[in-house]
Amino acid sequence: QKEVEQNSGPLSVPEGAIASLNCTYSDRGSQSFFWYRQYSGKSPELIMFIYSNGDKEDGRFTAQLNKASQYVSLLIRDSQPSDSATYLCAVNRANTGGFKTIFGAGTRLFVKA
Amino acid sequence: DTGVSQNPRHKITKRGQNVTFRCDPISEHNRLYWYRQTLGQGPEFLTYFQNEAQLEKSRLLSDRFSAERPKGSFSTLEIQRTEQGDSAMYLCASRTSEETQYFGPGTRLLVL
Repeated sequence: QKEVEQNSGPLSVPEGAIASLNCTYSDRGSQSFFWYRQYSGKSPELIMFIYSNGDKEDGRFTAQLNKASQYVSLLIRDSQPSDSATYLCAVNRANTGGFKTIFGAGTRLFVKA
Repeated sequence: DTGVSQNPRHKITKRGQNVTFRCDPISEHNRLYWYRQTLGQGPEFLTYFQNEAQLEKSRLLSDRFSAERPKGSFSTLEIQRTEQGDSAMYLCASRTSEETQYFGPGTRLLVL
């Protein structure tokens, strides 16, 4: 079992719809959770991070965390074609001298105009 | 632009050659990470520095890989005797004591 699992997609949604991206993690010691967006050929770009159970909203993005279920999600409201990218879920867990980040393989999102 | 720079951005080499990549982190960031990313996968952790100390090295990293961070500033990643399986994007990221890390643009390596 991979430590961070995501559906590889592609997830296809029409422009203006809500895109829902999901992620599960296996290490209950994971302490913080991140969503990165990665366009083809580019490096990951941080969208949001969340530490506590519940929802966290930033503009069109909402991250949701449920530590009991070991589940993290990202909702993108009013999806735009420019949101088409791979979305990487990442978790931090404590390691020697700090934190180690484990990434999922990513979910490809395609927003149709 | 996150403020993390990497050079070169692209490297094509022949199998068996040595290559070296450089990462310049955000100046106040004392923590620096190297990752490798292949097509369809997320970044895989390679190694981690806090200041000049290399605190962790992935088991994925064979003896052909070495990384340094002299004086706790820039870092270099060297791959000796490259193999075709080393072809990947090599990403550098840096952060402060906060957990959010910032990625550089990456170095794309192609081994022929």
